[in-house]
Amino acid sequence: KQEVTQIPAALSVPEGENLVLNCSFTDSAIYNLQWFRQDPGKGLTSLLLIQSSQREQTSGRLNASLDKSSGRSTLYIAASQPGDSATYLCAVRPRWETSGSRLTFGEGTQLTVNP
Amino acid sequence: EAGVAQSPRYKIIEKRQSVAFWCNPISGHATLYWYQQILGQGPKLLIQFQNNGVVDDSQLPKDRFSAERLKGVDSTLKIQPAKLEDSAVYLCASSLTRDEQFFGPGTRLTVL
Repeated sequence: KQEVTQIPAALSVPEGENLVLNCSFTDSAIYNLQWFRQDPGKGLTSLLLIQSSQREQTSGRLNASLDKSSGRSTLYIAASQPGDSATYLCAVRPRWETSGSRLTFGEGTQLTVNP
Repeated sequence: EAGVAQSPRYKIIEKRQSVAFWCNPISGHATLYWYQQILGQGPKLLIQFQNNGVVDDSQLPKDRFSAERLKGVDSTLKIQPAKLEDSAVYLCASSLTRDEQFFGPGTRLTVL
């Protein structure tokens, strides 16, 4: 059974700092990994999707890496801003279609960026 | 392109009452998912539809939860009777391929 862990559970940083959020998963047989952002009381917004054959993806100030063999992904946020404050979730999709397309989520990292 | 729509956004009920949630996926998306997100946790898949058919409902508490997808488009999720531990956000998502899922705003359920 796939398990996804995110560290740290919460993070508070001053504005402008570069930061790294960590995600680990127990079963390396994944199809892809997706990072989401969730604002309080809102749904999930997809940030980055990394296919199992890829090593990283970049979008603006965000960079996500994937090391499938070690079961790890990191989300790097450059020059953080107060508007980045949210909960960040990572989720993995199984390789085999017989397992459906179920996303297995971590519990998230709650990020606060202080002005 | 319009996103995934859900209603209602908020619902408060007493335990043992019934409740229903509605989801309209992105046009053309064959796959629809319902997730339950308990406060402080990541979402957990309840059920996955491919068109009208159920692909995965292994984590759906079938004694009280039911879901259907009408004509391969809209879907409803029902809880009857509700328990205190059903208090959560219920998220609907849809996808065109296995690549990416798009989520709606969710319905926040409070069971008193």
